[in-house]
Amino acid sequence: EVQLLESGGGLVQPGGSLRLSCAASGFTFTTYAMTWVRQAPGKGLEWVSGVSGSGGSTYYADSVKGRFTISRDNSKNTLYLEMNSLRSEDTAVYYCAKEGQWEPRAYLDLWGQGTLVTVSS
Amino acid sequence: QSVLTQPPSASGTPGQRVTISCSGSSSNIGSNPVNWYQQLPGTAPKVLIYRNNQRPSGVPDRFSGSKSGTSASLAISGLQSEDEADYYCATWDDSLKGVFGGGTKLTVL
Repeated sequence: EVQLLESGGGLVQPGGSLRLSCAASGFTFTTYAMTWVRQAPGKGLEWVSGVSGSGGSTYYADSVKGRFTISRDNSKNTLYLEMNSLRSEDTAVYYCAKEGQWEPRAYLDLWGQGTLVTVSS
Repeated sequence: QSVLTQPPSASGTPGQRVTISCSGSSSNIGSNPVNWYQQLPGTAPKVLIYRNNQRPSGVPDRFSGSKSGTSASLAISGLQSEDEADYYCATWDDSLKGVFGGGTKLTVL
């Protein structure tokens, strides 16, 4: 079955760290770029970060640059998002999504179910 | 404030045709293809239109997309109650990041 399964969300204090994972199955993982998109409670979608199929090219939203790191392990078919120096405004559901091509271009043809990250003391 | 501008809401009665606009700039919509996503309440988004006007398999032909210059539009004809959802446009920006519209909440009256 073609699917993406996120994990790693939870409650973290401001300034803390968290690592999200996204396990992919049912498609050739290395062929496609991958992206993280988040949605704050009651708000719209926000593009967070993208990585090319090889992992050699990474891209970040200004709001997370320098604090978040996207990576992928193609041997494990898994995408990661390392989040440091977390702020209350990072509270959101984080979606992992598969791109429709080798490089990120915001064409997301498969989405995970999302994992909730809550930043609060 | 989103990089791409969408109307916050739209509405129509069953059977009507509604359009949702998405306005950007030369660095995003003006130079990259536009994609549209539908998010039903409580669910993850799904792609509705990609590369301006292409429909993934399984998406009814009631949904169509177009682009002109720095703007794009999503049209829904033969509106149905199950079309009630949030709709987002998205594209790539030449500053090397993805950008979304703020979303449009579609109500079927």
